[in-house]
Amino acid sequence: NAGVTQTPKFQVLKTGQSMTLQCAQDMNHNSMYWYRQDPGMGLRLIYYSASEGTTDKGEVPNGYNVSRLNKREFSLRLESAAPSQTSVYFCASSNRLLRQGARETQYFGPGTRLLVL
Amino acid sequence: GIQVEQSPPDLILQEGANSTLRCNFSDSVNNLQWFHQNPWGQLINLFYIPSGTKQNGRLSATTVATERYSLLYISSSQTTDSGVYFCAVGSNDYKLSFGAGTTVTVRA
Repeated sequence: NAGVTQTPKFQVLKTGQSMTLQCAQDMNHNSMYWYRQDPGMGLRLIYYSASEGTTDKGEVPNGYNVSRLNKREFSLRLESAAPSQTSVYFCASSNRLLRQGARETQYFGPGTRLLVL
Repeated sequence: GIQVEQSPPDLILQEGANSTLRCNFSDSVNNLQWFHQNPWGQLINLFYIPSGTKQNGRLSATTVATERYSLLYISSSQTTDSGVYFCAVGSNDYKLSFGAGTTVTVRA
């Protein structure tokens, strides 16, 4: 049981290049999330997928696209990387159900460090 | 979105000391989680605690939802407790808002 896995662990891009960050979970969770973490700012939600087949914008979606490929996999794509997208990207999953008061625990992957030059 | 403020921003402890971390939030929530990020960057969920009190070993947490704050207590701190502690809150959707974190350094 690997939990949440992310690839790659580290990537260097030039401005304007594109890339896809991969995330997979083996806990049969319905919901998956992409966050970015910048120094001194905590984590900010980029996109989330409440369930297979649905995706929604989070707090900072500009410059990103996502695909919920199936229940296990949720990818994040940068179409034209910019230096402002230099960050650490975390994928997470949870078993949250859409009802008030539903218990939720988010499980995080190890992160991808992205440097855009 | 909901604003989250954590205090103090930094905390230096001697091994064996106790400490309290605070999380204030700006609106009603029904989802509050505490996370620990270790020095290698891994994020671990500590508590799901939208209200009430929970304990897990040397860690405990209390959320007073009506007053919009949560406290995380670390007792008998160990060097392995070092890292950044994040509070994250949410309402009736899937969006969690994170605070900026409290960086804890435990010295042997």
